[in-house]
Amino acid sequence: GAGVSQSPRYKVAKRGQDVALRCDPISGHVSLFWYQQALGQGPEFLTYFQNEAQLDKSGLPSDRFFAERPEGSVSTLKIQRTQQEDSAVYLCASSLLFGGGAVYEQYFGPGTRLTVT
Amino acid sequence: GESVGLHLPTLSVQEGDNSIINCAYSNSASDYFIWYKQESGKGPQFIIDIRSNMDKRQGQRVTVLLNKTVKHLSLQIAATQPGDSAVYFCAESVFGGSNYKLTFGKGTLLTVNP
Repeated sequence: GAGVSQSPRYKVAKRGQDVALRCDPISGHVSLFWYQQALGQGPEFLTYFQNEAQLDKSGLPSDRFFAERPEGSVSTLKIQRTQQEDSAVYLCASSLLFGGGAVYEQYFGPGTRLTVT
Repeated sequence: GESVGLHLPTLSVQEGDNSIINCAYSNSASDYFIWYKQESGKGPQFIIDIRSNMDKRQGQRVTVLLNKTVKHLSLQIAATQPGDSAVYFCAESVFGGSNYKLTFGKGTLLTVNP
């Protein structure tokens, strides 16, 4: 079946522009995560959704970053007034379900590479 | 301006050799650990996981060892193949927390020479 998809795969933005990055999780996956991966580094957690509820946004680096998942499926990560330090790969991951004492594998999308010039 | 390079630890092995990739984790409260493989231009791909109540777990050609005393994790790949060339990340999490957000290590670049 289809995995996690993200669009666009590449985005070039001029400093100060707003961008919107889309994530289509695996159908039926309740949990959705956003991570930021700088060049040569491991991914860093940004935010977590369970269905449409954003339960953890502790990793968002500033109030310029905003994420939503209004219908509990597709999610959008929006970055306002982009800065050069926002240049990174933004990864989305989804997992089947949270809870019940079980751990569910997070499936990652290919990421969106954002370059701010 | 200042250049930012790839300062990943690297491991270069010959095809057919066994590979060992090491990782030190930071949070003594972490009790769930995962190894991911990331190829260029792709997202991380799950390899194997281990809970803190175990010290060893085996998969197909891979073994993960956990030493909680020194907060150390290792991934052993048997009979390494060129297709194993990638960056390998360990990740840690707190099982039973409010979510399973993962904290990733820096990564190790594995290069397999044919």
